[in-house]
Amino acid sequence: DAKTTQPNSMESNEEEPVHLPCNHSTISGTDYIHWYRQLPSQGPEYVIHGLTSNVNNRMASLAIAEDRKSSTLILHRATLRDAAVYYCILTDTDKLIFGTGTRLQVFP
Amino acid sequence: EAGVTQFPSHSVIEKGQTVTLRCDPISGHDNLYWYRRVMGKEIKFLLHFVKESKQDESGMPNNRFLAERTGGTYSTLKVQPAELEDSGVYFCASSPRWSLVDTEAFFGQGTRLTVV
Repeated sequence: DAKTTQPNSMESNEEEPVHLPCNHSTISGTDYIHWYRQLPSQGPEYVIHGLTSNVNNRMASLAIAEDRKSSTLILHRATLRDAAVYYCILTDTDKLIFGTGTRLQVFP
Repeated sequence: EAGVTQFPSHSVIEKGQTVTLRCDPISGHDNLYWYRRVMGKEIKFLLHFVKESKQDESGMPNNRFLAERTGGTYSTLKVQPAELEDSGVYFCASSPRWSLVDTEAFFGQGTRLTVV
C-alpha cells in the first residue's frame, strides 16, 4: 500500500546535518508529501509537509525534487533526541499510509 | 493545551476477553482516527470519525472490533472477543480538518495491547 521507498536505517553524529531520502516515483498531482517521526515509546509526530516547493519549519527542511518523484528531509543539526523512525508519507485524503520508515541513529 | 490522550497505556488480557480502549482527542478537533501496529507490521489506518459519524471504516479488520464516538467527543475502541493476533499498539489521532493533505494529525502515545 505504501507508495514511498526509504532506506531502512541511517546513522549520524550529533550536531551534523542529516539528509533522509524518500522515493515516490508514482506520486500523483494531488499527493502531498508528509513526514512524521516516531520517537521510542511515543506515537507518530508530525514533522513537515509540502506539495511542490521546498519547505522550512523549526524542526526541519523538506526538499522536493522538481519532478516530485523524490524528496529529502533535512535535519540541520542532529541531536540525540532526533533518534527515531522517520516516515515519508503521501496523502491526498484523510488517511496516512505508513511504510516501514527509516530508523535514524544519532551518536554522541 | 492537552494533547491526544489514550487510556490505558498498557493492557494485558486473555484470549476471548473483551477490552475497551479510550481516546480523548484535542478539544475542538472534529476528526478522530484510529490506527494500529501489530507485531512486525506497519502502522495501519483503522477508521476515521467526523464528530460522531464514521466517515471511513475501511481499515477495521473484522466485526470483533467496534468503535464509537458518542457525542462527538471521546472515542472508544472495543475488541470482543480478543484474539492473539490483536496484540499490538493502538494509536489514536485527531485533526481539526477532514483532509490531512495540508494539515497535521496529532497522535496519542498509544495503548499497548497484549493478548495472552
